[in-house]
Amino acid sequence: AQSVTQLGSHVSVSEGALVLLRCNYSSSVPPYLFWYVQYPNQGLQLLLKYTSAATLVKGINGFEAEFKKSETSFHLTKPSAHMSDAAEYFCAVSGNFGNEKLTFGTGTRLTIIP
Amino acid sequence: KAGVTQTPRYLIKTRGQQVTLSCSPISGHRSVSWYQQTPGQGLQFLFEYFSETQRNKGNFPGRFSGRQFSNSRSEMNVSTLELGDSALYLCASRGELGPQHFGDGTRLSIL
Repeated sequence: AQSVTQLGSHVSVSEGALVLLRCNYSSSVPPYLFWYVQYPNQGLQLLLKYTSAATLVKGINGFEAEFKKSETSFHLTKPSAHMSDAAEYFCAVSGNFGNEKLTFGTGTRLTIIP
Repeated sequence: KAGVTQTPRYLIKTRGQQVTLSCSPISGHRSVSWYQQTPGQGLQFLFEYFSETQRNKGNFPGRFSGRQFSNSRSEMNVSTLELGDSALYLCASRGELGPQHFGDGTRLSIL
């Protein structure tokens, strides 16, 4: 069984500041990990994915995440927040080969303070 | 390449009715999954279809069903609608070993 925990349902950062959204996972098999972003009245857009290659994964819009097996974490970061980053972010896990269903965290709503 | 297309975008039904939602996957994608998103339960997996066969199923009652056609388009049906079925229903398609790509969803409201 797999699960993810997102710490902090709401995160606020100032424009230009570092964005850090936390995700910890639990998996009985080597996991595939994903970050998705959801803007109001839209579906989920893939930001980045970890599939057992490089542990530091770069995604779209300047986001990146680092897979740390020892900490069972996959935190999402962006060096400098932009107003357009305001959205809800979901961490998700699936099993081997990405064949299984996605199990999502509860989401983190990111607010950018001008 | 066109993305995942879900129709309709919005739907209003009353309790006891049934509803059918449609999803057209990205061209070439044979896997289609459905998810329900609600404020209380978050994002929950409903089922996955691959080559017209249900490959995986979540923990939803039998009122929720789906099917996939030979062109990979998928439909989801909910019968005997309940107030708790009000949600955003998201469809995702996936290519061979690739990540899931989501549509914009169908927002279903039950009165």
